[in-house]
Amino acid sequence: RKEVEQDPGPFNVPEGATVAFNCTYSNSASQSFFWYRQDCRKEPKLLMSVYSSGNEDGRFTAQLNRASQYISLLIRDSKLSDSATYLCVSSPDTGRRALTFGSGTRLQVQP
Amino acid sequence: EAGVTQSPTHLIKTRGQQATLRCSPISGHTSVYWYQQALGLGLQFLLWYDEGEERNRGNFPPRFSGRQFPNYSSELNVNALELEDSALYLCASNKNFWVGGTEAFFGQGTRLTVV
Repeated sequence: RKEVEQDPGPFNVPEGATVAFNCTYSNSASQSFFWYRQDCRKEPKLLMSVYSSGNEDGRFTAQLNRASQYISLLIRDSKLSDSATYLCVSSPDTGRRALTFGSGTRLQVQP
Repeated sequence: EAGVTQSPTHLIKTRGQQATLRCSPISGHTSVYWYQQALGLGLQFLLWYDEGEERNRGNFPPRFSGRQFPNYSSELNVNALELEDSALYLCASNKNFWVGGTEAFFGQGTRLTVV
């Protein structure tokens, strides 16, 4: 079982729709989580950090459920520019383990 | 403040040759990660260096190796190149967990093509 698992998608949604992605993690001791966005053939860029129960940034909301070991990303009022691959990342429980990336969920927002 | 920089941007090698990729982390970051991303696929973890030491490596053969220098910059070396090594190689850096940082920031990558 992969340490961080995501549905690869693609999620095809119309502009203005609300879309949610889930990501499950297997290491119960993981402390911090992040969502990154990666555009085609570009490097991943940090979208949101998820440190405790979740946080919100404009149209984006991230939630953490430690009991079920998953995090989610909700995008409201989708824009064409939101089309990208969204990567879920877990942070080490100590300083001596690397960040772990999921394989990503592809979102395609259509006009 | 400068971000993570990688060089070269593009690299073309022939099968059997060696490739050296370089990464300079953000100032103050001591950890450097290397990832391979083949076309259309997800990030595959290669190596993690922290404060000059190799801390972890992914499921790659020994011909993938690297090092981290005292200034925290890093090199990734790929020996005996194979066609399937063609990919985008991404470097990321972050602060050591113990000094309160965990978010990683990526360089723009080195696109390696093996012919």
